[in-house]
Amino acid sequence: AQSVTQPDIHITVSEGASLELRCNYSYGATPYLFWYVQSPGQGLQLLLKYFSGDTLVQGIKGFEAEFKRSQSSFNLRKPSVHWSDAAEYFCAVGETGGYNKLIFGAGTRLAVHP
Amino acid sequence: DAGVIQSPRHEVTEMGQEVTLRCKPISGHDYLFWYRQTMMRGLELLIYFNNNVPIDDSGMPEDRFSAKMPNASFSTLKIQPSEPRDSAVYFCASSRRRGRGGELFFGEGSRLTVL
Repeated sequence: AQSVTQPDIHITVSEGASLELRCNYSYGATPYLFWYVQSPGQGLQLLLKYFSGDTLVQGIKGFEAEFKRSQSSFNLRKPSVHWSDAAEYFCAVGETGGYNKLIFGAGTRLAVHP
Repeated sequence: DAGVIQSPRHEVTEMGQEVTLRCKPISGHDYLFWYRQTMMRGLELLIYFNNNVPIDDSGMPEDRFSAKMPNASFSTLKIQPSEPRDSAVYFCASSRRRGRGGELFFGEGSRLTVL
């Protein structure tokens, strides 16, 4: 069965610093991979997704992620963090042959210091 | 287009009471999902529907939980009787057919507190 691991529960960065959130997945075939963001009291919003093709994908709000098959990773990056990026970030893997079922990681809570 | 709409946004009830959570998916979406979010367990998939038919309910905790989708624009998640350990945020999400690769659109959630 597929699974997603986000090794970092909490991360704190300074505003303007670069950011990398880690995600490792376990899946037998080529996965569909997603990053979602959840602001306090809100639902989840899609940041970006990878299905196939270029392994570096661009998302909203200046985020990007790189799919590395050899490392089973899909890390999220942003070159310069803004205070409004403080939120919880979820990596998810989807079934390629199934019914759009997503499995989510435990999430990484990002705090941004001024 | 309106997003996924959930109601109520907040519910406080006493143990043993029946709770019904409601969801209106985005028009044209064929899949509907119910997730539960807690600090301890994160986001758990409870059940999902395709074209109003339940496909996988293996995540439903126990018989106290039931979900229905009587038509393409409405779904309910019912807990009867409720227990304090059911306190969580319940999210509904919908998505298009499989060709879109599973992008989910989430509602804002229903925060349930069982006293």
